[in-house]
Amino acid sequence: AQSVTQLGSHVSVSEGALVLLRCNYSSSVPPYLFWYVQYPNQGLQLLLKYTSAATLVKGINGFEAEFKKSETSFHLTKPSAHMSDAAEYFCAVSDQRGGGYNKLIFGAGTRLAVHP
Amino acid sequence: GAVVSQHPSRVICKSGTSVKIECRSLDFQATTMFWYRQFPKQSLMLMATSNEGSKATYEQGVEKDKFLINHASLTLSTLTVTSAHPEDSSFYICSARTVWRGNSDTQYFGPGTRLTVL
Repeated sequence: AQSVTQLGSHVSVSEGALVLLRCNYSSSVPPYLFWYVQYPNQGLQLLLKYTSAATLVKGINGFEAEFKKSETSFHLTKPSAHMSDAAEYFCAVSDQRGGGYNKLIFGAGTRLAVHP
Repeated sequence: GAVVSQHPSRVICKSGTSVKIECRSLDFQATTMFWYRQFPKQSLMLMATSNEGSKATYEQGVEKDKFLINHASLTLSTLTVTSAHPEDSSFYICSARTVWRGNSDTQYFGPGTRLTVL
């Protein structure tokens, strides 16, 4: 079975500081990994995804994540936080077996606060 | 591209009534649509998966007779909450996936529907 653990339900950073949101996964098959962002009362927007190509994945809004198989991690980073980055971030895993559909398993989420 | 819409965005209903939520893929054909439920300050929980033209597959613990899902076309799926009760109040989010786009492994999410049952 697959699972996702996001360390830290709340992260607070200063504007301009490094953002680091942690995600560890468990999967018995090569995983697909995703980071989504959710603003209040809205759906989810895809930030980036890893699908077994380059291990360093660049996404939108200056975010990137690195797949580390040895650490079973897929941490999300951004060099310099902006006030508009304040939101809820979800890490998710899916298996590559395909077939009829690919279920996404979500982590519990990390709420990012950015203060001046 | 890859826009998914939901209607309504917010609905308030009386206990015992039924509510229908629509999920549409606006610029692509969705062979598979997913329905999620999200409680306040919690993650998304998959309720069911629907493939166009076939019966939905429900996750364990989800009552299929209470949450009716219809995926009648490649651009529309509906979730009907039957005989709604206050405990059904939640944020319902749909997503869509297609095998005809380059990114067939990506789900595109709708903006969500806030259901409040009085």
